[in-house]
Amino acid sequence: AQKITQTQPGMFVQEKEAVTLDCTYDTSDQSYGLFWYKQPSSGEMIFLIYQGSYDEQNATEGRYSLNFQKARKSANLVISASQLGDSAMYFCAMREDGGTSYGKLTFGQGTILTVHP
Amino acid sequence: KAGVTQTPRYLIKTRGQQVTLSCSPISGHRSVSWYQQTPGQGLQFLFEYFSETQRNKGNFPGRFSGRQFSNSRSEMNVSTLELGDSALYLCASSKMTGPQGEQFFGPGTRLTVL
Repeated sequence: AQKITQTQPGMFVQEKEAVTLDCTYDTSDQSYGLFWYKQPSSGEMIFLIYQGSYDEQNATEGRYSLNFQKARKSANLVISASQLGDSAMYFCAMREDGGTSYGKLTFGQGTILTVHP
Repeated sequence: KAGVTQTPRYLIKTRGQQVTLSCSPISGHRSVSWYQQTPGQGLQFLFEYFSETQRNKGNFPGRFSGRQFSNSRSEMNVSTLELGDSALYLCASSKMTGPQGEQFFGPGTRLTVL
């Protein structure tokens, strides 16, 4: 079974509008972390936001917020006021607890976001 | 504070050759992880090093190996290159070792095997 599922291969949004990128995850661990990364065409993976499984409040970082619904095992990324520079591939990732997970992020397949002027 | 650096940025090799990629983590970060990114398989975890010890390894053949030095810099080596090894290789460093530790990535090394 896929541990991280991103069901939207591509998304389009108008500049200055908000957009939600979906992510669902699967784990039996109680302690885990969820991450979102942005990858522009240059290839570098840019860290956007982190949510811990025990965090009671949704994480926010500037225009990025993470809509964390633990019972539904979803961790959607919300980008407010989209900008042209937001056009990129976005990855959702999870890091579980335990020895077999040291340093290991499990990634989804990614969502390509295109922002139209 | 300097970010994660990777050298070289681009590399072209032929089948059968070997290659060594280098990664310098953010100062103070002792955990270094390596990933392979291909269009077909996406991002896959190769291995993780912490304090010069490999603590975790992904499902890759033994041709893929790595090491970490006392200054936390890490290298990965691929021997007997195959066409399928063409990929973007990313390394990431982390200060914390648990699930809460954010991983910061370098710009990657794009390897092309001819």
